Order: sequence, then C-alpha cells, then structure tokens
Amino acid sequence: QSALTQPASVSGSPGQSITISCTGTSSDVGGYNYVAWYQQYPGKAPKLLIYDVSNRPSGVSNRFSGSKSGNTASLTISGLQADDEADYFCSSFTSSRTLVFGSGTKVTVL
Amino acid sequence: EVQLLESGGGLVQPGGSLRLSCAASGFAFGSYTMSWVRQAPGKGLEWVLAINSGGADTYYADSVKGRFTISRDNSKNTLYLQMNSLRVEDTAMYYCAKPIRHLEAFDFWGRGTMVTVSS
Repeated sequence: QSALTQPASVSGSPGQSITISCTGTSSDVGGYNYVAWYQQYPGKAPKLLIYDVSNRPSGVSNRFSGSKSGNTASLTISGLQADDEADYFCSSFTSSRTLVFGSGTKVTVL
Repeated sequence: EVQLLESGGGLVQPGGSLRLSCAASGFAFGSYTMSWVRQAPGKGLEWVLAINSGGADTYYADSVKGRFTISRDNSKNTLYLQMNSLRVEDTAMYYCAKPIRHLEAFDFWGRGTMVTVSS
C-alpha cells in the first residue's frame, strides 16, 4: 500500500487560511469516509484533529476543518496561528482492511 | 485518563528480535482493536499492525508480514509486538495507538519506544 500523497510543505501568514490536500485512490480515500488528520510537533506523538472526513474530537479548535471530494481529502486551517507550525498527516482506511497514512506536510507560519 | 505506555525498545543487530509492550489504562482496553504505528527518524507515519478486541483477528502491513506478530493480554491490559528478523529499515519510533472505534482513526497515542537496528 503506497502512502497517500500530500504536499511536502505549505506556508501562510498569521490569520490566513491554508489547505492541505491528501490524494489517494478509490480503494482508500475515495472508497470510505474514514479519513483522519493528525498534527505532530517534533519529538511528540501525533494528535488527532479530524476523523471520519470532517468530524472534530472534543477539544480540537474549530479552526481545523476537513472535507473530501472523490479521491482527495483536504484539511483547512483558518486563522493561522504561530503554534499551527507543525507536521500534518492524513490517513485512510483501505479496502484491504488496513490503514494508510499520507506522506506528511510541514506547515510553516511566515 | 487514557494512558498508553510503550516499553521494550532498544538497540538490536540486523536479524535480531525484540518484543515491545504497551500498557494501557483509563479505558476498556478489551473492547478496542489496537494498533502499532511506527515512524522512522525524520520520516512519516506508517501503520504496521492491528489486532481486534478479542485477539482472534490480526491485520498487517506488507512491510512486516511474516516477521512481526501482534498479540494482546486483555487480563493485563497489555498489547505486544514481537519483532523478528529485524532489518535496518525497521529503525523507528514505535507507537501504540487506541482507535476511536476500530481502525479509522486514533484518538490516543503513547509516547513511543525507539527501536534501532544497527550493527
């Protein structure tokens, strides 16, 4: 199972909105509404931001939102803040009853 | 409070074996499919294995099939990962992860245990 495709880096200024894409196939992203997004700071464990494409766990800021169209899922961060600077990973359940992660995106706040 | 505490990592030679443990607390461990996720230094996340709540069904990534085995002891609230025939490319931080439901997303992660395969 190949990793889902994410842009290596995305940047934005404070207050702006940015969108990170996550492209898979009809056997994963396109076939199931089981896309999740994680935020990871260096040396720390990942933190769940979004599950089931667009649901936020309790305690996660509503500045983070998720969506999906066809084989591509997206994470939008609105009102970009300095502490949003981190790595972001998507994941998807697959037709093989496994899980695949995205390649990861480094977000830089200018 | 949900807690996942991994242990057992260390330095091992190529071809060697290692057994990781993950002690869980703060939730109904025996009701959840549990997974191991790894991350090589400076690289992305890779899901490697999962085991269903009762331990009867296991799921493996192709990269570890035939070499790694996942198991659990629900009476001890503990998840295990037996790693055999280790390769240099297995060097990574290994995380234990609890799902929201089954295998769709992980809402709790341990701090990880580092495995280094090197001669």
